[in-house]
Amino acid sequence: QQQVKQSPQSLIVQKGGISIINCAYENTAFDYFPWYQQFPGKGPALLIAIRPDVSEKKEGRFTISFNKSAKQFSLHIMDSQPGDSATYFCAAVPQTGANNLFFGTGTRLTVIP
Amino acid sequence: NAGVTQTPKFQVLKTGQSMTLQCAQDMNHEYMSWYRQDPGMGLRLIHYSVGAGITDQGEVPNGYNVSRSTTEDFPLRLLSAAPSQTSVYFCASSYSSSGGATETQYFGPGTRLLVL
Repeated sequence: QQQVKQSPQSLIVQKGGISIINCAYENTAFDYFPWYQQFPGKGPALLIAIRPDVSEKKEGRFTISFNKSAKQFSLHIMDSQPGDSATYFCAAVPQTGANNLFFGTGTRLTVIP
Repeated sequence: NAGVTQTPKFQVLKTGQSMTLQCAQDMNHEYMSWYRQDPGMGLRLIHYSVGAGITDQGEVPNGYNVSRSTTEDFPLRLLSAAPSQTSVYFCASSYSSSGGATETQYFGPGTRLLVL
């Protein structure tokens, strides 16, 4: 049973456009929400992360929006570039216990020049 | 620092064979974990360790064993390989082992396993 639901499965965006990936969770014990970026043949790498006490976090062209009451969060990539073409995973970490990641199913982003 | 290293990069096994996937990190991280990545399913936690001598099961532990005799190494053993274990396996590590920790988890480059 997937604890973090992610959509869409794939996304095609024109260069310069905005890419939006959505995630939702049910478990209120989750307390930290990172996004990972994965290029083909590589391991995932941390892109940006947020805690639920803030509603938005921005790092360069990447922004996380967080809605605690709806238990939803999303990644926005502004001015999308061909180099952003990769698979993106949202994840959640529980507040207690071990520092384990619960991943969404991934979104394959393709940015067309 | 080499970061998180995994060997081999690629392996083909026959059903019933056993093998060990190696993972090592040189960052003195206390937390290490193994994930498998399958199409359409994201990454799922197999086993994890919060320190040397301590291991525990994740979401999909069946068919896999782990041990953590040193801080640096966290091998994953397949006792009797099955076609359902065909996957890409990633090892990860971080400084903190506590829930809710914000320390970055670093992933290795992965091992692609094919079980015939």
